[in-house]
Amino acid sequence: DTGVSQDPRHKITKRGQNVTFRCDPISEHNRLYWYRQTLGQGPEFLTYFQNEAQLEKSRLLSDRFSAERPKGSFSTLEIQRTEQGDSAMYLCASSSGEGHTDTQYFGPGTRLTVL
Amino acid sequence: GQNIDQPTEMTATEGAIVQINCTYQTSGFNGLFWYQQHAGEAPTFLSYNVLDGLEEKGRFSSFLSRSKGYSYLLLKELQMKDSASYLCAAMDSNYQLIWGAGTKLIIKP
Repeated sequence: DTGVSQDPRHKITKRGQNVTFRCDPISEHNRLYWYRQTLGQGPEFLTYFQNEAQLEKSRLLSDRFSAERPKGSFSTLEIQRTEQGDSAMYLCASSSGEGHTDTQYFGPGTRLTVL
Repeated sequence: GQNIDQPTEMTATEGAIVQINCTYQTSGFNGLFWYQQHAGEAPTFLSYNVLDGLEEKGRFSSFLSRSKGYSYLLLKELQMKDSASYLCAAMDSNYQLIWGAGTKLIIKP
């Protein structure tokens, strides 16, 4: 399978715990995006990487959220001191970054439940 | 501000045609995307328009009018498997996608 993969697919945690999610993009894609989605809403942009550089981070994102893409390949998203409001589907997408079409292709998502 | 509007929910009959509308306001414009999302799954890419007009891809077509800030997704010969949410997203001048909340399409036999 050469698509975007995410791990884990589901995560249940207690409030106050830290969680880390992983995303492996399509291998030749330079751009990697993290989104959060709640029921009945479209994806909400969190952050975006061009290779290993984090180029943009949503102003709505608290400092409990951090993301890395150390070698320009896979990326991790960490949430510290989780809150019940963090419960959502966390989606990763990648794109080639070439041309203005630049279609984003999504992974299956990680569903986070904070108890 | 940047904004995408699309209907919350639509119902259609198997075998029929349905049109899902989307209006957008963005800072700059670099194209309009439609994605399909089945419940509990990730969005999958359907279409991209950057020039005015109709793009046809099998049973699905997408239309764009840049002057009106308007797009629609047309689904023909509806099948039960087409029951899903359809997300409209506009790419702004920074090449970031601005997403609508999605239109839940219910197909009835």
